[in-house]
Amino acid sequence: LAKTTQPISMDSYEGQEVNITCSHNNIATNDYITWYQQFPSQGPRFIIQGYKTKVTNEVASLFIPADRKSSTLSLPRVSLSDTAVYYCLVGDTGNQFYFGTGTSLTVIP
Amino acid sequence: SQTIHQWPATLVQPVGSPLSLECTVEGTSNPNLYWYRQAAGRGLQLLFYSVGIGQISSEVPQNLSASRPQDRQFILSSKKLLLSDSGFYLCAWGGERGDPHEQYFGPGTRLTVT
Repeated sequence: LAKTTQPISMDSYEGQEVNITCSHNNIATNDYITWYQQFPSQGPRFIIQGYKTKVTNEVASLFIPADRKSSTLSLPRVSLSDTAVYYCLVGDTGNQFYFGTGTSLTVIP
Repeated sequence: SQTIHQWPATLVQPVGSPLSLECTVEGTSNPNLYWYRQAAGRGLQLLFYSVGIGQISSEVPQNLSASRPQDRQFILSSKKLLLSDSGFYLCAWGGERGDPHEQYFGPGTRLTVT
């Protein structure tokens, strides 16, 4: 399983775009990249998933370069309610799936 | 729509006592189910997963066990709790497509072992 590395914490002002980068140098050919969001005392919530290039949904965008050794979650115009922990996960279609400690994002008014 | 339930929401148990946490999913059939534990300030640790009735895979050897007596029911148990078992226990299901990357989590159970 590919190991992921994310910044421990980030701060951003309201209304700014936030980019959280995840490194996964040992990503395998069959691995997908998935991001989750977790608020305190709640379970994680699926945000977005991708394999290569760019994926966009109503919540976020996911940028994956050609070598797939990293990925960037982009949150447009964050609000206070986006304060949460964001997890980057890498894995194949098997059922082994590991969450690290994630990136704690604090949005400042 | 699908809903995942967990109970109890909070639990305080003494060391050495037994444990039983229940998770049920509504609105789907034959879901992949998962149990996770999250210690304070830490990431999630996958404990068990199940792809069907009576089928349990253990990820971490410990004093916990899991069972799946019915299609949409997943139970986490312990015969004797340890202090280190304290944490936030989360149940998840793998969505309609059974994609392990797209999991949907329940509200969780906060367990404190004293």
